[in-house]
Amino acid sequence: DVQMTQSPSYLAASPGESVSISCKASKSINTYLAWYQEKPGKTNKLLIYSGSTLQSGTPSRFSGSGSGTDFTLTIRSLEPEDFAVYYCQQHNEYPLTFGSGTKLEIK
Amino acid sequence: QVQLKESGPGLVQPSQTLSLTCTVSGFSLTSYNVHWVRQPTGKGLEWMGVIWTGGSTDYNSALKSRLSISRDTSKSQVFLKMNSLQTEDIATYYCAREGGDAFMDAWGQGASVTVSS
Repeated sequence: DVQMTQSPSYLAASPGESVSISCKASKSINTYLAWYQEKPGKTNKLLIYSGSTLQSGTPSRFSGSGSGTDFTLTIRSLEPEDFAVYYCQQHNEYPLTFGSGTKLEIK
Repeated sequence: QVQLKESGPGLVQPSQTLSLTCTVSGFSLTSYNVHWVRQPTGKGLEWMGVIWTGGSTDYNSALKSRLSISRDTSKSQVFLKMNSLQTEDIATYYCAREGGDAFMDAWGQGASVTVSS
């Protein structure tokens, strides 16, 4: 199985700042990486797939980059609604596997 | 509007069988694959299995011996059954629609399952 290592586990930032979250795969997954946002009381939201393709409705302040084993989710100019938990998921092969999550908190 | 909603008993006795239903709306089960994913409290997400548009299934090998996924297209429902439940199976169980290439573009709100006598 492909192991996904996500870091950091916790991240504190202020609105207006930019942050980056890393996701590393235990072997190459080409560009097949998705990012999701989890917020209390809401269903999980797909932000990005195939490494860098924004899902319809995802604000442009979100961006994804990377290929092979190293990927990054960047959020520019944080908005209050961006404070949430973020997960990566490789969609290159089965079984699908997820990162352990990054909780983005308000500083 | 695409929606998925999980339902089922929140409490299962040890060694018994978990049965969950995912009722979908806004799309057809013959056009989109549906996955099951679970999340133990305080832990990460675990992919459980998928039912393809044609009705065949694939499972995580770690759960394959205990897991069954099926569907009723006329009722827009997908079913999960997992037997021999233990405390390690305490989790929130999600169904999710595949948006294409094995990523999930819509999720249910999740069903919390506890295993206890």
